[in-house]
Amino acid sequence: AQSVTQPDIHITVSEGASLELRCNYSYGATPYLFWYVQSPGQGLQLLLKYFSGDTLVQGIKGFEAEFKRSQSSFNLRKPSVHWSDAAEYFCAVVSRGFGNEKLTFGTGTRLTIIP
Amino acid sequence: NAGVTQTPKFQVLKTGQSMTLQCAQDMNHNSMYWYRQDPGMGLRLIYYSASEGTTDKGEVPNGYNVSRLNKREFSLRLESAAPSQTSVYFCASSVRGRGYTFGSGTRLTVV
Repeated sequence: AQSVTQPDIHITVSEGASLELRCNYSYGATPYLFWYVQSPGQGLQLLLKYFSGDTLVQGIKGFEAEFKRSQSSFNLRKPSVHWSDAAEYFCAVVSRGFGNEKLTFGTGTRLTIIP
Repeated sequence: NAGVTQTPKFQVLKTGQSMTLQCAQDMNHNSMYWYRQDPGMGLRLIYYSASEGTTDKGEVPNGYNVSRLNKREFSLRLESAAPSQTSVYFCASSVRGRGYTFGSGTRLTVV
């Protein structure tokens, strides 16, 4: 069964510093991969997704992620964080099927930004 | 606006009461899902429906039932609410696993 691991429960970075959030997945073939962001009390917003092709994916708000098959990873990066990036971030994976796709989430990483 | 609509947004129940969470999408998606979100646990799949007329259990189905009323609507029922079901519930729909649209969530408290 597919699974997602986000090893960092909470990360604190200074405003303007770079960010990398880790995500590892378990799945036999090439999955569909997603990163979502959730601000407190809000719903989920899609940052970016990977289906195939170029392994470096650009998303909204200046985020990018790189799919590395050899490491089963899909880490999220941003060169310079803003205070508004403080939120919880979820990595998710979908096993490819035929009308039976299920999105499985990691447990999330809470990002705190300090001045 | 196109999307996934969940009702209600907030609900407080007493232990043992029943209720149904409603979800509707207007994007003609085949697949629909119910998740619950708890602190430190991410979103966990309760039930899903790959197409009209079919439903399957997800990771945490105990204490819940679902109905795929038609292609648009997918409801989640708590027959006898328990404090452990206090959570935020999200409905979602998708097209062949490539694009997921989430509702804004239902915050449920069971006292």
